Amino acid sequence: QVQLVESGGGVVQPGRSLRLSCAASDFSFSNYGMHWVRQAPGKGLEWVGVIWFDGSKQKYADSVRGRLIISRDNSNNTLYLQMNSLRAEDTAVYFCARYDEGRGLDVWGQGTTVTVSS
Amino acid sequence: QSVLTQPPSASGTPGQRVTISCSGSNSNIGNNYVYWYQQFPGTAPKLLIYRNNQLPSGVPDRLSGSKSGTSASLAISGLRSGDEADYYCAAWDDNLSAWVFGGGTRLTVL
Repeated sequence: QVQLVESGGGVVQPGRSLRLSCAASDFSFSNYGMHWVRQAPGKGLEWVGVIWFDGSKQKYADSVRGRLIISRDNSNNTLYLQMNSLRAEDTAVYFCARYDEGRGLDVWGQGTTVTVSS
Repeated sequence: QSVLTQPPSASGTPGQRVTISCSGSNSNIGNNYVYWYQQFPGTAPKLLIYRNNQLPSGVPDRLSGSKSGTSASLAISGLRSGDEADYYCAAWDDNLSAWVFGGGTRLTVL
């Protein structure tokens, strides 16, 4: 069964770093672009960024550019989100999602919660 | 302030037909496909509609999507209590080079 499982969330102080992981299974991970989307408590969905299928290119939302970095390891079917210089406004549930050329963001993980607080 | 504009709430009684709108601009809806997602509290979004009006397998044909110009809509007919959820529209924005979402619409079945 096609699946994405996020991990690595937790409570972190402002200014510190955290790395999230997203493990993919039962599909050809290296053939798909992958996205991160977040949702602050009680708020809507906010796109964070995307990495191309081969890791050659990334794009980011203005709100995270320069602080959050997306990478991937196609040999281990894993997507990463390196979160640096964290701010209170980064507090959210972070979802990874697969991008299919025809169907858009068609498979989502269950999410992992990041809380930035002193 | 979301790039795509949705009404914050919608409601209907069981069996009714409800429509949720999504308004954008030429750089997003006007020039790209629209997608719709359903989200229950505490869970991940689920793809309901892709490429404006296509249903993934497993999504009932009580749901339908449409697009005209820079606006799109999601229609749910034969409303059921299990349809109570948050609904989001999404599209790629060429100017922002970013995926953009609507603010979400909470559907209540009265």
